[in-house]
Amino acid sequence: DQQVKQNSPSLSVQEGRISILNCDYTNSMFDYFLWYKKYPAEGPTFLISISSIKDKNEDGRFTVFLNKSAKHLSLHIVPSQPGDSAVYFCAATWDSNYQLIWGAGTKLIIKP
Amino acid sequence: KAGVTQTPRYLIKTRGQQVTLSCSPISGHRSVSWYQQTPGQGLQFLFEYFSETQRNKGNFPGRFSGRQFSNSRSEMNVSTLELGDSALYLCASSPMDTEGGYTFGSGTRLTVV
Repeated sequence: DQQVKQNSPSLSVQEGRISILNCDYTNSMFDYFLWYKKYPAEGPTFLISISSIKDKNEDGRFTVFLNKSAKHLSLHIVPSQPGDSAVYFCAATWDSNYQLIWGAGTKLIIKP
Repeated sequence: KAGVTQTPRYLIKTRGQQVTLSCSPISGHRSVSWYQQTPGQGLQFLFEYFSETQRNKGNFPGRFSGRQFSNSRSEMNVSTLELGDSALYLCASSPMDTEGGYTFGSGTRLTVV
């Protein structure tokens, strides 16, 4: 059973608009969440993270929101740029355990 | 349906030995990729196979190799193990011949002593 779910396999967004990628989780033990970005033929690279004690974390064009009661987090990219086209993974862990549990990924396509 | 199965789950080896890890993808998935996960380095791409052919390779030394069989099962081999090879090795399978729709296995935790 998948503990971290990214239900949208792909998402297409116009350049300059907001991209919203969603992630749901089932394990209430998770206390740290991360987003990774992956280009073809490369491993995922870290993008942004959030601890369960927060509900929002912002870094430039990227903002992650956490709704613990709904066990849901989202990544907002504003404004979307062509270089943002990639696969985005949501991952979660607990108690400083470095074993990340990964979602299936969402392929983001930014249209010019 | 069964998920991605990686065997063994845990492994302890000594320096200089070699090790083979196995990954059985989800039925119907033809793409298998391998990653090394460590606390400091995060997730690093090793290689990807599609239809028995290595399609992409990450920046790892030649001691790391892999192969894929006709039933899409994949193995990765590490020869002349070093202490720094201790990590969680993850396998992910995908149904498509392009990026997306990954399912990760639980990983093999390799400890080199």
